[in-house]
Amino acid sequence: QGQLAQSGVEVKKPGASVKVSCKASGYTFFNHGLSWVRQAPGQGLEWMGRIAVNDGSTIYAQKLQGRFTMTLDTSATTTYMELRNLKSDDTAVYYCVRGLRDYDLWGQGTLITVSS
Amino acid sequence: DIQMTQSPSSLSASVGDRVIISCRASQAIFNSLAWYQQKPGKVPKLLITATSRLASGVPSRFSGTGSGTEYTLSISNLQPEDFATYYCQQYYTTIELTFGGGTKVEI
Repeated sequence: QGQLAQSGVEVKKPGASVKVSCKASGYTFFNHGLSWVRQAPGQGLEWMGRIAVNDGSTIYAQKLQGRFTMTLDTSATTTYMELRNLKSDDTAVYYCVRGLRDYDLWGQGTLITVSS
Repeated sequence: DIQMTQSPSSLSASVGDRVIISCRASQAIFNSLAWYQQKPGKVPKLLITATSRLASGVPSRFSGTGSGTEYTLSISNLQPEDFATYYCQQYYTTIELTFGGGTKVEI
């Protein structure tokens, strides 16, 4: 059971920032960590990072270090991901997923398009 | 990083066939492997975790085996709804989790 509801489509220019929300419901929020996975058009899945909801500790993919941040609002059972200095190859569907290792619940995805 | 190499990248099969998809890790991942199914335009779905444990609601025609660096996903008696792309994922390293490139199962 459970649901992860993500915020909507974003269109950004190169160099801009984007912040996407993911609200968890229907399960005990503190029992599961959260992660982000993205998928460029026609491509495979790419792990971005994870956040432990009990203490807010994060681990990010090395290639995104310095541009990517995950945060939590535990009172709202919501996690956020922010990606800065966007590039054209950041164009992808971004998924919020439940889990720190494997992912048994996925959000509906948020399409972020980066174009001038 | 641990690299995950899936083969084949695509395959053609018929309803009722048995299909085997392979996933090779660049180093031992000690059964820390999951498989996902993604249909066109849909969200990926967890099929198998810990190499061989079926996720809730997954039909028993799906099975996973493997050890060390070599893992396989088998689909017996292929059904029309099984035509999709399948991804393996290692979670042995908690720092850089990685996915395979995907295997598209087509008619």
